[in-house]
Amino acid sequence: EIVMTQSPATLSVSPGERATLSCRASQSVSSNLAWYQQKPGQAPRLLIYGASTRATGIPARFSGSGSGTEFTLTISSLQSEDFAVYYCQQYNNWPFAFGQGTKLEIK
Amino acid sequence: QVQLVQSGAEVKKPGASVKVSCKASGYTFTSYDINWVRQATGQGLEWMGWMNPNSGNTGYAQKFQGRVTMTRNTSISTAYMELSSLRSEDTAVYYCARAAVVLQYLGYWGQGTLVTVSS
Repeated sequence: EIVMTQSPATLSVSPGERATLSCRASQSVSSNLAWYQQKPGQAPRLLIYGASTRATGIPARFSGSGSGTEFTLTISSLQSEDFAVYYCQQYNNWPFAFGQGTKLEIK
Repeated sequence: QVQLVQSGAEVKKPGASVKVSCKASGYTFTSYDINWVRQATGQGLEWMGWMNPNSGNTGYAQKFQGRVTMTRNTSISTAYMELSSLRSEDTAVYYCARAAVVLQYLGYWGQGTLVTVSS
């Protein structure tokens, strides 16, 4: 089974600044990596798929990069609505494991 | 528009089973896989398995093998997830989510169903 590891567990950033979140796979998942955003009391929302393709309606300040085992989600200029928990998920081989999440909080 | 509407909250006793439904609308139900994901309070997302609504084929995470069954009724565009031999650790919000055409990233999610296991 592929294990997904996200870092850091919590990231404190000021509004307007850049946030960089990392996700590592225990073995290659090619580019079959998605990022989700989850706010309290809500279902997750797809942000990025294919490691770097923004889902429909996702603002351009969200960008994804990487392939193989190392992936990054970057939020270029944080808005108040971006403070949430972010999860990566590999869908290269099932079980399609999620990372444990990174909580992005206001500094 | 694509919608996944799940059944309401459930309270079950340890050892019992629960069956959560997920009614799809706004697209051709048999064209996209349905995945099930759960989330214990304050915890992360845990992938449980997938089902192809056209063929009925399924794939389950090892952790749930033998306890989970994913089925569907194509005539009413509804997917089901049944979890048996419930224990307190199964208390969580259960989500259904629709995968993309070929790949299993999850673009649409149900609202979640809280299952509480308590004696």
